[in-house]
Amino acid sequence: GAVVSQHPSWVICKSGTSVKIECRSLDFQATTMFWYRQFPKQSLMLMATSNEGSKATYEQGVEKDKFLINHASLTLSTLTVTSAHPEDSSFYICSARQGLMNTEAFFGQGTRLTVV
Amino acid sequence: GNSVTQMEGPVTLSEEAFLTINCTYTATGYPSLFWYVQYPGEGLQLLLKATKADDKGSNKGFEATYRKETTSFHLEKGSVQVSDSAVYFCASILTGGGNKLTFGTGTQLKVEL
Repeated sequence: GAVVSQHPSWVICKSGTSVKIECRSLDFQATTMFWYRQFPKQSLMLMATSNEGSKATYEQGVEKDKFLINHASLTLSTLTVTSAHPEDSSFYICSARQGLMNTEAFFGQGTRLTVV
Repeated sequence: GNSVTQMEGPVTLSEEAFLTINCTYTATGYPSLFWYVQYPGEGLQLLLKATKADDKGSNKGFEATYRKETTSFHLEKGSVQVSDSAVYFCASILTGGGNKLTFGTGTQLKVEL
């Protein structure tokens, strides 16, 4: 199947700094990319949906100024956690879908963010 | 709106045991249903899916049947292997709802020799 690569796999940062997470579709063009957040023993929570070349659509309750999403090309989307705080510590997962009506999405391996 | 409820884990089984992981859904329409699997250190992979009532999805010995009357999509496998140890996510998507997946909380399966 298609491969989605997420980088880094884990990151530790200090409070107040910003962290960028990359999501790449390696062998297909991703029209749409999704960013999820997963708390321990909880389901994946959709944070935002991004379509290449347009602004991301954020889910209710997700701060767009804190979680900056850029989808500048058909193979790359980035999530930047700005001014990170310990409560932002979580597991972040991206997924990518090819085409608008194709419902199958391919997932990255996730990024474990720890803010100290 | 959409929601998915699946049994909590971890589920610990001996090799060759029968597996059932329950999943039920609520939706305002008729969603497509999925099971994803996440092996340690890897991303989520689609395991199987069903798009309408009475459809049966199957892959790698796993099966799940879309039951509209009980709003369920339980995952089953007749004989599990150690290599099946992973976290399993049930998910639904309602076409026309922005094609957004709604996930259950995930169930960790541990298979022991």
